[in-house]
Amino acid sequence: GAVVSQHPSWVICKSGTSVKIECRSLDFQATTMFWYRQFPKQSLMLMATSNEGSKATYEQGVEKDKFLINHASLTLSTLTVTSAHPEDSSFYICSAREGRFVDHTAQHFGDGTRLSIL
Amino acid sequence: LAKTTQPISMDSYEGQEVNITCSHNNIATNDYITWYQQFPSQGPRFIIQGYKTKVTNEVASLFIPADRKSSTLSLPRVSLSDTAVYYCLVPSGAGSYQLTFGKGTKLSVIP
Repeated sequence: GAVVSQHPSWVICKSGTSVKIECRSLDFQATTMFWYRQFPKQSLMLMATSNEGSKATYEQGVEKDKFLINHASLTLSTLTVTSAHPEDSSFYICSAREGRFVDHTAQHFGDGTRLSIL
Repeated sequence: LAKTTQPISMDSYEGQEVNITCSHNNIATNDYITWYQQFPSQGPRFIIQGYKTKVTNEVASLFIPADRKSSTLSLPRVSLSDTAVYYCLVPSGAGSYQLTFGKGTKLSVIP
């Protein structure tokens, strides 16, 4: 159980285009989803926290107009990288937390999306 | 800033038991400790979570002393496929569900 599906797994696009990444919790309801970015040989960096039905909370230094997050249902959150440029190339990973386990902060992670901007 | 400290890297031969210790001196009363494993180009995979004493599942054991300021992940009889980065995590703040990833421990299993 506790499977998080992320799509697409790999995307290559031209500079200036927008890219949407989907994150779905397949067998549980995720009241909170998180988006991370990971550069080569570095650790995961939290970009934003999204709660179903409300606006996402962005970490310091992350442009909310650049990285649009929508969490419209308890099983789906999307990250849209708008007007992507080569410096946005990275590995983007989502995670989801099961709301019913209030004492456990375990997050279930997707397999990531490799974004390459040419 | 990450709230945990762990060795940057470790090497082990196949078949050996590996223990990775993590320090979390400022852990809050209600915080759980969670360990994840990450392979290249994949998302982190949940390994084990605990609050105190000892927790064991089918892949690992987690030892937490009484003061809870550290924890040790124990991997029995590692194989080459256990080569990965292992992260020890505690919540980012009181009542927070956020996790701040440190650099993790790069475990290399040698044949």
